[in-house]
Formats: sequence, C-alpha cells, structure tokens
Amino acid sequence: RKEVEQDPGPFNVPEGATVAFNCTYSNSASQSFFWYRQDCRKEPKLLMSVYSSGNEDGRFTAQLNRASQYISLLIRDSKLSDSATYLCAVKRTPGSARQLTFGSGTQLTVLP
Amino acid sequence: DAGVIQSPRHEVTEMGQEVTLRCKPISGHNSLFWYRQTMMRGLELLIYFNNNVPIDDSGMPEDRFSAKMPNASFSTLKIQPSEPRDSAVYFCASSEGGAGSYEQYFGPGTRLTVT
Repeated sequence: RKEVEQDPGPFNVPEGATVAFNCTYSNSASQSFFWYRQDCRKEPKLLMSVYSSGNEDGRFTAQLNRASQYISLLIRDSKLSDSATYLCAVKRTPGSARQLTFGSGTQLTVLP
Repeated sequence: DAGVIQSPRHEVTEMGQEVTLRCKPISGHNSLFWYRQTMMRGLELLIYFNNNVPIDDSGMPEDRFSAKMPNASFSTLKIQPSEPRDSAVYFCASSEGGAGSYEQYFGPGTRLTVT
C-alpha cells in the first residue's frame, strides 16, 4: 500500500459544479497536510494547508479526518481555471524531519 | 520576492554525458529538497538538505546521482553518466526549516531529456 494515495481521475465536471477529492494516508502518526495544485508542465504550487479543524479559502475547503486517515479538498462553483492536477502532501514522520510525501495527483478538468 | 530559481530550464543530452542541475532556494529558507517527477512514478523525493547538510538521501536512485549544497544559497544535482531512463522533470524546493512551517515552495523545474 502506498503511503499516500489519491484517485488519479480524471474528474471532468461542468463549470459551476462542486467537486471533491480525497487523499488517504497510511501512517497514523502523520502530521502537517497540504494540498498543492500543478498546472500542465509547471511546478506544484501550494494551494492550502489542512488544519485539524478544517479550513476554507474562498471556494476551496480542506478537511482532515484523522480517524479514517484521509484529507479532502472541496471546490465549489468550479471555474475553467481550476483545471489542473491536485496533489496532496503529508509530513509523515514525527519530530523535526521535514520531508513531505506526495500523492500521485488527481486530474481535474472543468468543462464549459 | 524571488522564488526558488533553477537552471537550466531545459536540458537535452546524450547518454553517458554528465548533467548538472542548479538550484537557488528562497532566501532565509534552511531546508532544500530535490525531486524527480515522471508520469509513471509521480513526484519522488531524491534528497533533502537541512542547513546545507544532507539529511536523507535514501531516494537517490544510484551512485550515478550526487547532490551538494556548498552554501545556503546554492545546490547542485549531478548525474554522471546520464541514461535515457533519467529523463524526467527535476524540481528543487525549499522550506523554512527549524521550527518554521513545513510548507515547501517549488522552483520551475528542469526538464531533462537524455537521448
């Protein structure tokens, strides 16, 4: 089992739709979770951190479910510009080690 | 503010040649990471430095790969000799280090093609 798993998609949704992605992690000691966005032929860019209480940034909502060991990303009122690959990242090791493990990404295409 | 800077952006070389990729992290960041991304294997961590010291190189595929960080503002990833299976996008990322945030910021990547 991979440490961090995502449904690769693709998710094809119409403009204005709400879409949600999940990312599961295998190590229950994992801490610090992130969602990154990667456009085609570009670098991953941090979209948002995921806090235990959940957090929202405009149309984007991230949540953490420690009991079931997954994080989620919800995009409301999706725009054409949201089309990208969304990567989750997990800091799996305790203490000061700073490595993140990335999922393989979920591809989203928002259709006009 | 300048982000992570990588050079070259594209590199095409023949099998057997030496390749050197360069990275300048964000000023003030103490941790630096080298990643490789391919369609098949996704984003893989190759090596991680903290305060210029290699902390985890378990992701370096084999002895043909080496990385250095001679100072806080510069790192290199070298492949010698290169092979076609090394073709990938190589990203450098940096983060604050110490007690700072674990968020990592990526450079634009070097697209390497080995023929």
